[in-house]
Amino acid sequence: DAKTTQPPSMDCAEGRAANLPCNHSTISGNEYVYWYRQIHSQGPQYIIHGLKNNETNEMASLIITEDRKSSTLILPHATLRDTAVYYCIVNPAGANSKLTFGKGITLSVRP
Amino acid sequence: GAGVSQSPRYKVAKRGQDVALRCDPISGHVSLFWYQQALGQGPEFLTYFQNEAQLDKSGLPSDRFFAERPEGSVSTLKIQRTQQEDSAVYLCASSLQGWADTQYFGPGTRLTVL
Repeated sequence: DAKTTQPPSMDCAEGRAANLPCNHSTISGNEYVYWYRQIHSQGPQYIIHGLKNNETNEMASLIITEDRKSSTLILPHATLRDTAVYYCIVNPAGANSKLTFGKGITLSVRP
Repeated sequence: GAGVSQSPRYKVAKRGQDVALRCDPISGHVSLFWYQQALGQGPEFLTYFQNEAQLDKSGLPSDRFFAERPEGSVSTLKIQRTQQEDSAVYLCASSLQGWADTQYFGPGTRLTVL
């Protein structure tokens, strides 16, 4: 069973920030939060991951609450190409565990 | 550089036929994963290899599913006596070392069983 809860869908305007929420209230101390996305007819693509500190890379920012029970993926300037299903995944790092995807959140970026 | 490739991209099989799906991981990647994605669902784990060793096959849905990676590079997922419920996209991913590393996914093989 997925350890994360995401709303099924959201939309945002092109050029605006997209804030994608994720709840992971049962996260353990050694578990990381990963985000992947899947554009239609493609395989999933890694975006970012973090443990407890906020993280930023060229694709997105990840904000994790202090109690680590929820997080937000931020796409600072959404484009039409960012329309995809975004998966929030909790995964122990350094341990042999598979990625458990859940249903994800469908982000639709409108012109 | 080249990413993960999978072939064929599309496969149509009649119920009862055997199929073989191929995955070419990124060169040098030690770990290889297979996932199954039903329509409208997220991918679900099938099996995991570290080099040629199959370390986890807990996600294989039945004994009709078999995966191998004999030389620690290319992997084949074989499904015997296909059933309609096997219709799905089969995704392959590889990572440099183990589970902790980023998994890079191929485009998938869409299997349709008639």
